[in-house]
Amino acid sequence: DAGITQSPRHKVTETGTPVTLRCHQTENHRYMYWYRQDPGHGLRLIHYSYGVKDTDKGEVSDGYSVSRSKTEDFLLTLESATSSQTSVYFCATGQGRATYEQYFGPGTRLTVT
Amino acid sequence: QQQVKQSPQSLIVQKGGISIINCAYENTAFDYFPWYQQFPGKGPALLIAIRPDVSEKKEGRFTISFNKSAKQFSLHIMDSQPGDSATYFCAANNAGNMLTFGGGTRLMVKP
Repeated sequence: DAGITQSPRHKVTETGTPVTLRCHQTENHRYMYWYRQDPGHGLRLIHYSYGVKDTDKGEVSDGYSVSRSKTEDFLLTLESATSSQTSVYFCATGQGRATYEQYFGPGTRLTVT
Repeated sequence: QQQVKQSPQSLIVQKGGISIINCAYENTAFDYFPWYQQFPGKGPALLIAIRPDVSEKKEGRFTISFNKSAKQFSLHIMDSQPGDSATYFCAANNAGNMLTFGGGTRLMVKP
């Protein structure tokens, strides 16, 4: 995952505050994804992007929004954080030709108190 | 709703033994079935993948067995090593470029 970075790596925030997580890639991959990982649930897709300014919802998109203004950056925003959004968030990228092959970043651990 | 069900949730195997993780899916439109490996503190990484028209795929000590009629697939790790200790996720890919993951299996290989 050397070509994919996430920031911040850890964050503690209070309920009701907005939070933005950033994913940056140097792979020039067309597809970018945001997942959340919770025990027993595996990884669940929040939103994904198939190009600059082209995004779509995933399985658990409520309470989240995304933006992609450049190929290399994909932002995930929690408009008003809730305790149920405490999770580990992973960004992933894909070239598109073999979409089952995704490359994951190191993750961001978010705690909402 | 979980479209891909994975079992067991945790598994302990002795060094040199065979680790077996099972997955079942519901959506027949899935077109690829990958397995991902995740070490603590890291993001998942693709381990091996299989198409639904193939019954078995082997890469080194890792083998995927696929049963299309039963809508089940499994990962076998032969000669399991302590370095294989990780969390394993099965997944299913659809034509809409999205992966659906199973719940994960935490594997511990005892020396």
